[in-house]
Amino acid sequence: AQTVTQSQPEMSVQEAETVTLSCTYDTSESDYYLFWYKQPPSRQMILVIRQEAYKQQNATENRFSVNFQKAAKSFSLKISDSQLGDAAMYFCAFSAQKLVFGQGTRLTINP
Amino acid sequence: DAGVIQSPRHEVTEMGQEVTLRCKPISGHNSLFWYRQTMMRGLELLIYFNNNVPIDDSGMPEDRFSAKMPNASFSTLKIQPSEPRDSAVYFCASSFGPRALTHEQYFGPGTRLTVT
Repeated sequence: AQTVTQSQPEMSVQEAETVTLSCTYDTSESDYYLFWYKQPPSRQMILVIRQEAYKQQNATENRFSVNFQKAAKSFSLKISDSQLGDAAMYFCAFSAQKLVFGQGTRLTINP
Repeated sequence: DAGVIQSPRHEVTEMGQEVTLRCKPISGHNSLFWYRQTMMRGLELLIYFNNNVPIDDSGMPEDRFSAKMPNASFSTLKIQPSEPRDSAVYFCASSFGPRALTHEQYFGPGTRLTVT
């Protein structure tokens, strides 16, 4: 069975600083996808970034980038120039046979 | 594009009552997913449909839960009879692509269900 672990229940960062959220996963699959979703207080789930396992190049989306280490089964999210609107729960998700979410990291942005 | 539409947004019901949650996926999407979110268990995939056909319902907790997708633009999740432990936020999501679980899923706003 696949599992996704987010070891940081809460993180905080000063506005304009950089923060990295950790995610590890366990799988025997070789072909899969990884996602980061953001859930603000409105509870709407918003896709932040997507990474295909067969791609070595790390995905980037504006201020959001990932560090994908396939051998280590690690998929961290880096948010640069943090903004107040980035405050939310962030969920790492793994997808092969089934989409599995981590428990989430609550990110607070300090002004 | 209106996005994924769910109704109702909030539902409060008494134990034993039937509850029906509704979802309209994004037009043109061919896969639809039902999730449940609780503090204890996080986000769980309950069931997903591809081209209106249920593909994987292994996440459906018990026989009290059932889901249907009569056409490409509508799905329901029914709980009968409801129990207090069913209280959660239920999300519907949709996606487009040949491999349902590997493409971006677009989530609805969720239905907060409270069973007293």
